[in-house]
Amino acid sequence: DIVMTQTPLSLSVTPGQPASISCKSSQSLLHSDGKTYLYWYLQKPGQSPQLLIYEVSSRFSGVPDRFSGSGSGTDFTLKISRVEPEDVGIYYCMQARHLPWTFGQGTKVEIK
Amino acid sequence: QVQLVQSGAEVKKPGSSVKVSCKASGGTLSSYTISWVRQAPGQGLEWMGRIIPILGIANYAQKFQGRVTITADKSTSIAYMELSSLRSEDTAVYYCARGPLDYWGQGTLVTVSS
Repeated sequence: DIVMTQTPLSLSVTPGQPASISCKSSQSLLHSDGKTYLYWYLQKPGQSPQLLIYEVSSRFSGVPDRFSGSGSGTDFTLKISRVEPEDVGIYYCMQARHLPWTFGQGTKVEIK
Repeated sequence: QVQLVQSGAEVKKPGSSVKVSCKASGGTLSSYTISWVRQAPGQGLEWMGRIIPILGIANYAQKFQGRVTITADKSTSIAYMELSSLRSEDTAVYYCARGPLDYWGQGTLVTVSS
């Protein structure tokens, strides 16, 4: 199975400050169709996870533009340009290039 | 607006089976895959498997192979996940999600306890 490794596992951020989460996969997530199947989700407390970013860098419908994704191959990053109080929760990366799909361990983001 | 509505919480005995449903509205089930993801208390997300309704093909994570069955009824737009030989470690919230997990159900808590 593909191992997804996120760092850090927790993050405490002052509102208005940036935040960054890294996600590394044990194999390349680039498909022969040219797409890279790396996704980012946020699970807010007591809620189902919600999709933020698909295929490395595309924001899902309704996701604020303070969220951005980048990377290629095996190294990926989620950035929040200015953290808002409603951004608290656990962030997960997930790969859907290889079966079984696998998630990172999660990064807990809290507000200082 | 796509919505996935799951069946209610279940309490099961060890060794028994549970079947969780996931009804799609606002779109046809046939057009997308449906995955099942579980989350044990205080733990992360774990992908269990998926079904491609239009093909009737299911893929499962090796960990659950032989114990999980994912099916879909295109006529009713309902997907199902059945997990057998339940043990206490299967206590978790089970989610269904569409396609690349863009829309999620509300989750179903399955508690396995004697």
